[in-house]
Amino acid sequence: AQSVTQLDSQVPVFEEAPVELRCNYSSSVSVYLFWYVQYPNQGLQLLLKYLSGSTLVKGINGFEAEFNKSQTSFHLRKPSVHISDTAEYFCAAGGTSYGKLTFGQGTILTVHP
Amino acid sequence: NAGVMQNPRHLVRRRGQEARLRCSPMKGHSHVYWYRQLPEEGLKFMVYLQKENIIDESGMPKERFSAEFPKEGPSILRIQQVVRGDSAAYFCASSPPGRVTDTQYFGPGTRLTVL
Repeated sequence: AQSVTQLDSQVPVFEEAPVELRCNYSSSVSVYLFWYVQYPNQGLQLLLKYLSGSTLVKGINGFEAEFNKSQTSFHLRKPSVHISDTAEYFCAAGGTSYGKLTFGQGTILTVHP
Repeated sequence: NAGVMQNPRHLVRRRGQEARLRCSPMKGHSHVYWYRQLPEEGLKFMVYLQKENIIDESGMPKERFSAEFPKEGPSILRIQQVVRGDSAAYFCASSPPGRVTDTQYFGPGTRLTVL
């Protein structure tokens, strides 16, 4: 069975500081990985996805993530955060069952001025 | 190009009533997925449908829940005889016909409250 673990439920940071949101997955088959962001009372918006190829994936809003197969990780990073990045971030994995995404528990990123 | 639309955005039901949640996929998308987000939890897959077919319902509770995606009209998630534990945000996503890696685009969700 596939599982996704987000290691931090909440991450507070100050504006313009770097941030890393951690995600680990477990899967016995090829896996595709996604990061979504959810603003309050809204749906999920795709930040980036890893399918294959280069392990460093760049997404929208200055975010990037690195796929590490040996550590089964897909951590999300941003070198300098803004207040507007305050939201909940979800890591998700697909590939073991057509169409089904398995989500992590979410990480609430709070950016303080 | 309109995104995935869900209605209603908020739904209040009393225990024992029925809840009907609607999802209109993005134009050109023929795959629909339903997920449930319980308070303080991540999204959990419920069901995956294509037009007139249920492809994977492995995440659907065995009783009271059903889903359909008719040839015409929106996809419907139906919950009969709701209980307090059904209170959650229900998200619909859609993707175009094609590969398993295609991005799923999410709607704004329906927040169901059972009194």
